[in-house]
Amino acid sequence: DGGITQSPKYLFRKEGQNVTLSCEQNLNHDAMYWYRQDPGQGLRLIYYSQIVNDFQKGDIAEGYSVSREKKESFPLTVTSAQKNPTAFYLCASSADYHVQFFGPGTRLTVL
Amino acid sequence: QQPVQSPQAVILREGEDAVINCSSSKALYSVHWYRQKHGEAPVFLMILLKGGEQKGHEKISASFNEKKQQSSLYLTASQLSYSGTYFCGTGGGGNKLTFGTGTQLKVEL
Repeated sequence: DGGITQSPKYLFRKEGQNVTLSCEQNLNHDAMYWYRQDPGQGLRLIYYSQIVNDFQKGDIAEGYSVSREKKESFPLTVTSAQKNPTAFYLCASSADYHVQFFGPGTRLTVL
Repeated sequence: QQPVQSPQAVILREGEDAVINCSSSKALYSVHWYRQKHGEAPVFLMILLKGGEQKGHEKISASFNEKKQQSSLYLTASQLSYSGTYFCGTGGGGNKLTFGTGTQLKVEL
């Protein structure tokens, strides 16, 4: 079955640690995205990538980093520079007409 | 800038209709509508493109007014399964979407 997978589903981090969230897709989509969602709020774009080895900052990129070495994979690293990282993180991918399909999300909590 | 959605929240009795509006300050090429259940990922509902026709299924449809940079989502004869948060995502022509803050819809018996 084609789709987008994110792991882990829940992640706990101590302050000052970097953590990496995984996002994999087998839809053969060129574009991939990372969003952050806070309670009661919409989706805010962190980074996006339209092709392998290329990515652009979104609206809230500070404190985050990404890589796109393979078409299928777009991992997100939440660094210690991100002051308030507790949130629900969603990965998405798209092909034609920019319709985005989302993974199940990772809920990150800083202890 | 995020598109503005209205209303922020609405409660319906099963069978009632609802309209959710999405307004942008920027020129739009496309508008996307998604529904998100609590704790789950957003699910794509429909896309409206500049110059395109009104889209929809039997009970959920949407319109796109390019001149006013607005879109509306119409929910007809609502069902319990329609409950969730509805987001519009607006595209300016590239691959990037900007999402609104959402409209919480609750359908009760």
